[in-house]
Amino acid sequence: DVKVTQSSRYLVKRTGEKVFLECVQDMDHENMFWYRQDPGLGLRLIYFSYDVKMKEKGDIPEGYSVSREKKERFSLILESASTNQTSMYLCASSRAGVAKNIQYFGAGTRLSVL
Amino acid sequence: GDSVTQMEGPVTLSEEAFLTINCTYTATGYPSLFWYVQYPGEGLQLLLKATKADDKGSNKGFEATYRKETTSFHLEKGSVQVSDSAVYFCALSEDGATNKLIFGTGTLLAVQP
Repeated sequence: DVKVTQSSRYLVKRTGEKVFLECVQDMDHENMFWYRQDPGLGLRLIYFSYDVKMKEKGDIPEGYSVSREKKERFSLILESASTNQTSMYLCASSRAGVAKNIQYFGAGTRLSVL
Repeated sequence: GDSVTQMEGPVTLSEEAFLTINCTYTATGYPSLFWYVQYPGEGLQLLLKATKADDKGSNKGFEATYRKETTSFHLEKGSVQVSDSAVYFCALSEDGATNKLIFGTGTLLAVQP
């Protein structure tokens, strides 16, 4: 069965801390994505990666960076967390090639920055 | 650029009522269209999809038809259950290389017994 695993369901951090959110997929997918989900705004793409060590900015990359050293793992990094980064973060993966390919999502990490 | 507009919620229905959640899109080409569902406390999962005009996607009693002439992909179900209570997202993808999805804002459905 397809699986995307996010390392934490809930996380509480302090302003200014460096925060790592980890995501692992077991489907050998080429593409991986990080979204944030906020009420009334839907899902917004932060970054995506289409191959190891390759990344592209999404719609809201400011304040975030990513790392993809292995095909199965995609990390989201908040260099210096701020209160406006309190949100639900969702990771997804998909096979590359055609637009009809499905994205598979993890359960999400709810991050609170105090 | 591409965009998805879906009806705002929350939508509150009684069990066995008919459901429609409207979704319209703007795209330059011929996108694939999706409905994803998010149950409480979970991530998103695919509910159904359609990849070309006049295609009908269906799953778990839900249906949506890809209407190119009206640029719409409305979600319907004939008889909702309490277990259908969730947030529903309409989305499109035009980019075959990256499978980037453009999402609507989501519609919360609450079904009461």
